[in-house]
Amino acid sequence: DAGITQSPRYKITETGRQVTLMCHQTWSHSYMFWYRQDLGHGLRLIYYSAAADITDKGEVPDGYVVSRSKTENFPLTLESATRSQTSVYFCASTPGYEQYFGPGTRLTVT
Amino acid sequence: ELKVEQNPLFLSMQEGKNYTIYCNYSTTSDRLYWYRQDPGKSLESLFVLLSNGAVKQEGRLMASLDTKARLSTLHITAAVHDLSATYFCAVDIRAGNQFYFGTGTSLTVIP
Repeated sequence: DAGITQSPRYKITETGRQVTLMCHQTWSHSYMFWYRQDLGHGLRLIYYSAAADITDKGEVPDGYVVSRSKTENFPLTLESATRSQTSVYFCASTPGYEQYFGPGTRLTVT
Repeated sequence: ELKVEQNPLFLSMQEGKNYTIYCNYSTTSDRLYWYRQDPGKSLESLFVLLSNGAVKQEGRLMASLDTKARLSTLHITAAVHDLSATYFCAVDIRAGNQFYFGTGTSLTVIP
């Protein structure tokens, strides 16, 4: 399917476990982003990537790791999940200005 | 610290009425975006405003941008139930690469 996909869509994990959220886009957009959405905070940028092998921190990067070995994939890893990382995570990409969002991953850390 | 403030945060309005949602931001930017989010869904792009004075309209929604006042408005004309959703503005400070979102306005249109 064309567009941007995320997997899994729902995930429950325990505190301290490592979790990886996947993001895949078929447009070959250079820029990709990871956001988290929490009530009262809107969306906050975690990390972004300008191209393969180029990543940079956003507003709330602590506790997260990203990589981008291929243009189309941008995985987000929580190295040791904490309850405060319970959130909805959105991946996005852009051809230049407007960002296009994936369907989201709802992550619960127990 | 960049701040993007939307008001109101919650809006309940009757069908057929008009209303405006405001988005104020604290830094210089010529680019502002409006998104819509339905419950449990992703964000859908509504408007892209790329210059001072830009005005875009789609159906019952019209968005405008005043970069000098650092203000964007989303005007709703003759609201219908289908417009019930959360609306976000986002300020772009680096050509699509650094979005800062407002906290959203939850709109409920009552029949």
